[in-house]
Amino acid sequence: DSGVTQTPKHLITATGQRVTLRCSPRSGDLSVYWYQQSLDQGLQFLIHYYNGEERAKGNILERFSAQQFPDLHSELNLSSLELGDSALYFCASSVGADNTEAFFGQGTRLTVV
Amino acid sequence: GQQLNQSPQSMFIQEGEDVSMNCTSSSIFNTWLWYKQDPGEGPVLLIALYKAGELTSNGRLTAQFGITRKDSFLNISASIPSDVGIYFCAGRPTSGTYKYIFGTGTRLKVLA
Repeated sequence: DSGVTQTPKHLITATGQRVTLRCSPRSGDLSVYWYQQSLDQGLQFLIHYYNGEERAKGNILERFSAQQFPDLHSELNLSSLELGDSALYFCASSVGADNTEAFFGQGTRLTVV
Repeated sequence: GQQLNQSPQSMFIQEGEDVSMNCTSSSIFNTWLWYKQDPGEGPVLLIALYKAGELTSNGRLTAQFGITRKDSFLNISASIPSDVGIYFCAGRPTSGTYKYIFGTGTRLKVLA
């Protein structure tokens, strides 16, 4: 158990819908990172928050947004969902702003039908 | 998105054999990471490398940061069935970004 909690574990939704994925970082970690992993692909970095502020953006679509709350948990919002958005979405957390020692959650498997 | 070239894509080996895999990039990186991902789980960091030429071990695993800073290698000695999984490399460019670029993974299957 990495200490990073992601909910829900599985999510099935229809095209055009909006979903929210939640991540609770390890106790004491200030950074949260979101990644997308499509079938048989590596991880694509989406976005990084540090202590409530956005620090870096990767290949995140405009239909996607994220935020980190004062209690440091983070949410990833995916809207106007398309079939191609089906993927595993991982959250990772680290103590500092450098994610070299980041710990990953178990992921949320999103299926868009 | 940008990805590293990781090879081989998959490999079957006999238990007890040594395994080698590598990652190459057209860009210079200042950090290389190696992760293992088991089915249904998130990636787990195995080894982190910070300097060109650095050789670091973690049990039966040894990784090296290539001299050119454009590649990295992971070796697993005397493989065992629980080594099964997907191994990912990740690199961080020298541009000061905290974004890591991940390889496409090497899927390892160990035959008992």
